[in-house]
Amino acid sequence: TQLLEQSPQFLSIQEGENLTVYCNSSSVFSSLQWYRQEPGEGPVLLVTVVTGGEVKKLKRLTFQFGDARKDSSLHITAAQPGDTGLYLCAGEEAAGNKLTFGGGTRVLVKP
Amino acid sequence: DAGVIQSPRHEVTEMGQEVTLRCKPISGHNSLFWYRQTMMRGLELLIYFNNNVPIDDSGMPEDRFSAKMPNASFSTLKIQPSEPRDSAVYFCASSLTDNYEQYFGPGTRLTVT
Repeated sequence: TQLLEQSPQFLSIQEGENLTVYCNSSSVFSSLQWYRQEPGEGPVLLVTVVTGGEVKKLKRLTFQFGDARKDSSLHITAAQPGDTGLYLCAGEEAAGNKLTFGGGTRVLVKP
Repeated sequence: DAGVIQSPRHEVTEMGQEVTLRCKPISGHNSLFWYRQTMMRGLELLIYFNNNVPIDDSGMPEDRFSAKMPNASFSTLKIQPSEPRDSAVYFCASSLTDNYEQYFGPGTRLTVT
């Protein structure tokens, strides 16, 4: 079973600060996804990264896939209270079309 | 278009009772996934279907859990008998088989007392 570890588990910052969340594995993934989950709702897909070294930007969010496709990071610039949530990374396993999810990082952005 | 629909949203039952959770995937999606989420274990895949056929049920905890997908627009996850340790939020997600991007429903919060 391929495992994904996320760090930190919890992050509390003030509005306007930057933050980075990490997702690491010893296994190679064909692609990796980031989801955000708000209380009482299901995870919502933010982005999919496919190519080693790929960088994608979504407004104030920057996603990077490691060159070896074993790790990824999510950077938020000038965080806002609306960025509060549980951020999950998920890796596509080689066989089948199922995903392996990391344990998640809870982000709290205080106004 | 409607997203993934799950019912009920909340279920409270007593230990030993049968519980049935329901899911309607996004129309046109041919893969369906059942997950369980707890604080301790995070998001765990229980079982998934491709074209209504169960492909991998290795995540199903034990024989008390069963899942069916009688057609492309409906799936059930049944727990019989239920136990307090089954208390969790259960999510259904769907996707296209050749696309790994999954769309989640709002979840069913199950409490077994």
